[in-house]
Amino acid sequence: EPEVTQTPSHQVTQMGQEVILRCVPISNHLYFYWYRQILGQKVEFLVSFYNNEISEKSEIFDDQFSVERPDGSNFTLKIRSTKLEDSAMYFCASSEQGQFFGPGTRLTVL
Amino acid sequence: DQQVKQNSPSLSVQEGRISILNCDYTNSMFDYFLWYKKYPAEGPTFLISISSIKDKNEDGRFTVFLNKSAKHLSLHIVPSQPGDSAVYFCAASPILLQGAQKLVFGQGTRLTINP
Repeated sequence: EPEVTQTPSHQVTQMGQEVILRCVPISNHLYFYWYRQILGQKVEFLVSFYNNEISEKSEIFDDQFSVERPDGSNFTLKIRSTKLEDSAMYFCASSEQGQFFGPGTRLTVL
Repeated sequence: DQQVKQNSPSLSVQEGRISILNCDYTNSMFDYFLWYKKYPAEGPTFLISISSIKDKNEDGRFTVFLNKSAKHLSLHIVPSQPGDSAVYFCAASPILLQGAQKLVFGQGTRLTINP
């Protein structure tokens, strides 16, 4: 059964460093998303992406964040200068109807 | 932000009986609703969805009911099995331009199925 994959499973970085979280969505899906879940809190929407451009973003998704689909399979989330409060699980998802989520990347900012 | 609320943080059900998980929402712009199951250290697993033009959708042991006037939806699992023990999230979305979604999640309900 096709699934969304994410790498790495765990990323540890120093505050101020750039990180790139990678995702491979389900191949025939057209819509791609990033969400995050801070420990003990709800899953929160960050951004949706369709037809090679952002279709919607939340107030969390500020200038420090960017997304890219560099080729036909990968979908990346870049955080330019990480802050302590960026520590969270980051989930990628793709959809036709229901959104299918990847296993997540745990980002720890020290 | 309490647009989607799951008021029961936990629920315990006997194996073989029906599990009913509830969810309330406040935003009238929501027109697509989903249920997810989540195990620790894994991403949410899509279970079932319903659009606002329907009031019921069934898939095997899972049925979702939508009451638009009450802004309430529920997930019924029957019969409940031990493998159903997990955290269940309700999510809702408006349908955005070009068909994308923007899911708003509830806090989750931890379901425990007792043998």
